[in-house]
Amino acid sequence: KAGVTQTPRYLIKTRGQQVTLSCSPISGHRSVSWYQQTPGQGLQFLFEYFSETQRNKGNFPGRFSGRQFSNSRSEMNVSTLELGDSALYLCASRPGQTTADTQYFGPGTRLTVL
Amino acid sequence: TQLLEQSPQFLSIQEGENLTVYCNSSSVFSSLQWYRQEPGEGPVLLVTVVTGGEVKKLKRLTFQFGDARKDSSLHITAAQPGDTGLYLCAGALRGNNNDMRFGAGTRLTVKP
Repeated sequence: KAGVTQTPRYLIKTRGQQVTLSCSPISGHRSVSWYQQTPGQGLQFLFEYFSETQRNKGNFPGRFSGRQFSNSRSEMNVSTLELGDSALYLCASRPGQTTADTQYFGPGTRLTVL
Repeated sequence: TQLLEQSPQFLSIQEGENLTVYCNSSSVFSSLQWYRQEPGEGPVLLVTVVTGGEVKKLKRLTFQFGDARKDSSLHITAAQPGDTGLYLCAGALRGNNNDMRFGAGTRLTVKP
C-alpha cells in the first residue's frame, strides 16, 4: 500500500498570501488529521476530518481551515500568512476515528513565509 | 506549556551507551505512543502502551507506561547511530478518543 502523500513538499510564500496544502491518505483510511510542527512548540494539532466532516479542532486562529473530499483526500488552507506560520505541516491518516487506530504520517510540507 | 513534557530536549551520546528519555504529564492518558522522526520525514509509530505499568520491548528499545498512566519512559540499550532521530511521545486523553497530544520531543544523536 502506498503511504500518506503530501504535496507540495516545499513551499515559499510571502506575508499576506494564502496557501493550500494537500494530503492523500492511505487507501481505505477515512480519518485525516493535520499538525503543525515547529522547533519551539513541537507538534500541535490543527484539525481532524472523518467522512468529510471536521470532528476535532485544535487551538489555531480561523486563518487555518481545512476540508476533506469524498475520496478522503484532504486540503488545508492558511490565509493571510504570517512569519510565524513557517513550519512543517504534517498530515496523518488512520482507518477509523479513534486513537486506538494507528496513525500514519506523511513526510510533511515545509512552508517558509518570508 | 506543553501537556506532555519530554526530557531531555537534546541528548548526544557515543555508540554503545545506554540512555533513557522521559515523557511526563499531570494528566491521565488512556494510551500513550512513542514515535521516531528522521529529518525530512514524518513521525513513525514505534509502540503504543495502554495499561498502567505496561512494559513493551522492541529489540533494544524498552517502553514503560507509568502505573498512574501519566508518564512514560523509553530506554535504549547499546545505542547505535541508526537510533539518531527525534523521539516524540503522544498521549490520548481519557474520555476523548480523538484528542491526541504530543510532546516537543527529545533529539537524540548517537555518534559512531
